[in-house]
Amino acid sequence: AQSVTQLDSQVPVFEEAPVELRCNYSSSVSVYLFWYVQYPNQGLQLLLKYLSGSTLVKGINGFEAEFNKSQTSFHLRKPSVHISDTAEYFCAVSDKKEGQGFSFIFGKGTRLLVKP
Amino acid sequence: DGGITQSPKYLFRKEGQNVTLSCEQNLNHDAMYWYRQDPGQGLRLIYYSQIVNDFQKGDIAEGYSVSREKKESFPLTVTSAQKNPTAFYLCASSMRPENTEAFFGQGTRLTVV
Repeated sequence: AQSVTQLDSQVPVFEEAPVELRCNYSSSVSVYLFWYVQYPNQGLQLLLKYLSGSTLVKGINGFEAEFNKSQTSFHLRKPSVHISDTAEYFCAVSDKKEGQGFSFIFGKGTRLLVKP
Repeated sequence: DGGITQSPKYLFRKEGQNVTLSCEQNLNHDAMYWYRQDPGQGLRLIYYSQIVNDFQKGDIAEGYSVSREKKESFPLTVTSAQKNPTAFYLCASSMRPENTEAFFGQGTRLTVV
């Protein structure tokens, strides 16, 4: 079964500094990869996704992520963060079980705290 | 606007009572999912359904039940057998067969007292 590891539970960073949130997944077979953002007491919103093609994926709000198959990683980056980026970020991977269809497996989340 | 509606947003129940959380979508998606979120635990899959009248257990199905009688609806019942039901519950859906993105509702926060 697939698994997702988000290496940092919390990342503090100053406003306008760059940030990287790290994500590794378990399987080297073809997968879809996702980053979602969650604001307090809300659902999840898709930031970006990798399905195939270019390994550098651009998303909303200035975020981007790079798919690295050999390292089974999908790290999220932003060159300059804003206070409004303070939120919980989740990395996810598609998972297919024989006879049971697709589901999405999530990491434990990384809390990004942007300080003024 | 198309989307996923979870209701209610906040729910309080006494210990030992069953409670049903509603999830409705008008995205015409075949697949629907229920996740539980606890602080520091991320999202854990409870049940999922690929088509009407069919569903599978996820990683933490014990103490929960679901039904999928209509494409638009996937209600989750938290039974009295669930030992620690207080949590934030999220419903999601995706389009088959591509499953290239999960769309989420706004969640229901269940508190059992």
